[in-house]
Amino acid sequence: NAGVTQTPKFRVLKTGQSMTLLCAQDMNHEYMYWYRQDPGMGLRLIHYSVGEGTTAKGEVPDGYNVSRLKKQNFLLGLESAAPSQTSVYFCASSYSGTAYPNEQFFGPGTRLTVL
Amino acid sequence: AQSVTQLGSHVSVSEGALVLLRCNYSSSVPPYLFWYVQYPNQGLQLLLKYTSAATLVKGINGFEAEFKKSETSFHLTKPSAHMSDAAEYFCAVRDAGGSTLGRLYFGRGTQLTVWP
Repeated sequence: NAGVTQTPKFRVLKTGQSMTLLCAQDMNHEYMYWYRQDPGMGLRLIHYSVGEGTTAKGEVPDGYNVSRLKKQNFLLGLESAAPSQTSVYFCASSYSGTAYPNEQFFGPGTRLTVL
Repeated sequence: AQSVTQLGSHVSVSEGALVLLRCNYSSSVPPYLFWYVQYPNQGLQLLLKYTSAATLVKGINGFEAEFKKSETSFHLTKPSAHMSDAAEYFCAVRDAGGSTLGRLYFGRGTQLTVWP
């Protein structure tokens, strides 16, 4: 099993450009998440999905959009990139079932720089 | 809403010394608690989790954490630090109930440096 994979690993954008980050998991998880990590801020939730075709906003959703057309994939889009979106982006997935502390499994991250 | 406070953004210890990383949480309901480790340029890896089965939880790489409800704490310890333990450590909390749909709330992280 590859677990959670993310593409690309690195990307440099100019202000105003758009891009899509792809997350894929092969563990048949229902729940998927997108986080951003900034120095001294920990991980902040951008958007999440509790199943195919459903998405919801997290803590810092502005400037991002997501889609979950297939259960195994979760896409994060930046329509018009801004320097404030320079960050490391992590995707995670977990089993459903809130009655059990199912941990989240993380991908290796995408390092994005917006100039 | 839940919140997590990690006291000390940086902790330095000598190799062989005790490691103590502090985590306090606030939650209105019994929580699930996690410690994750992040090595340089990698994703987060689960160290251990508290599931209410036992207050002392043992994890990978010799780490353990103790849940203390009265202190709302879940501090991470390791008796003897190794150079390979140098990494960033994150504490996270999740409600045991269903309202937050599995969402984790993370602390800001503690960078552990191990000196030879």
